[in-house]
Amino acid sequence: EAQVTQNPRYLITVTGKKLTVTCSQNMNHEYMSWYRQDPGLGLRQIYYSMNVEVTDKGDVPEGYKVSRKEKRNFPLILESPSPNQTSLYFCASSNPGQSYEQYFGPGTRLTVT
Amino acid sequence: SQKIEQNSEALNIQEGKTATLTCNYTNYSPAYLQWYRQDPGRGPVFLLLIRENEKEKRKERLKVTFDTTLKQSLFHITASQPADSATYLCALDMGSNYQLIWGAGTKLIIKP
Repeated sequence: EAQVTQNPRYLITVTGKKLTVTCSQNMNHEYMSWYRQDPGLGLRQIYYSMNVEVTDKGDVPEGYKVSRKEKRNFPLILESPSPNQTSLYFCASSNPGQSYEQYFGPGTRLTVT
Repeated sequence: SQKIEQNSEALNIQEGKTATLTCNYTNYSPAYLQWYRQDPGRGPVFLLLIRENEKEKRKERLKVTFDTTLKQSLFHITASQPADSATYLCALDMGSNYQLIWGAGTKLIIKP
């Protein structure tokens, strides 16, 4: 089944404790992206990757890091989480050469206390 | 910068009627516009894409229109059903690096 998976689905952590949210897709997509979704706001892009070893900042990259060592994986790293990073996070992938639609993961709800 | 406006208030529609959702944008027209459906606690799911040179696109009970003069897209669901209840998001692609600019979404409630 074609899908984007994220782990963990829920995470409660404390300020300053480094964490990683994993994202994996099995569709051989070139493009991957991380978004955060907050009430009343649209999805805001954090980072995106056009291909392996190619990453770029989105609209709200501060406090986040990413890497793209393999085509299928695109982890999101919070080196020192803060309460304002409490949010719902989505990973997405697409293959722009074939279709512009984005496939989303199930989301990770992060709470930073 | 480009801004997108979707009705922040929930839209209540009687089952069987046509639901119409609006997506307005400022500034210049996007290369194409997409509509997604999002259910509570889940990721958005792609529904339809319409390009700037297309006036209308259909898929089963769904129809999207794109008016670059009004800077507006309308999303219609005909013969609406309670299962259509969800939040609907519009997203604009400005044609640069496949970046999408997202609206906050409109919650649609279909009453039996």
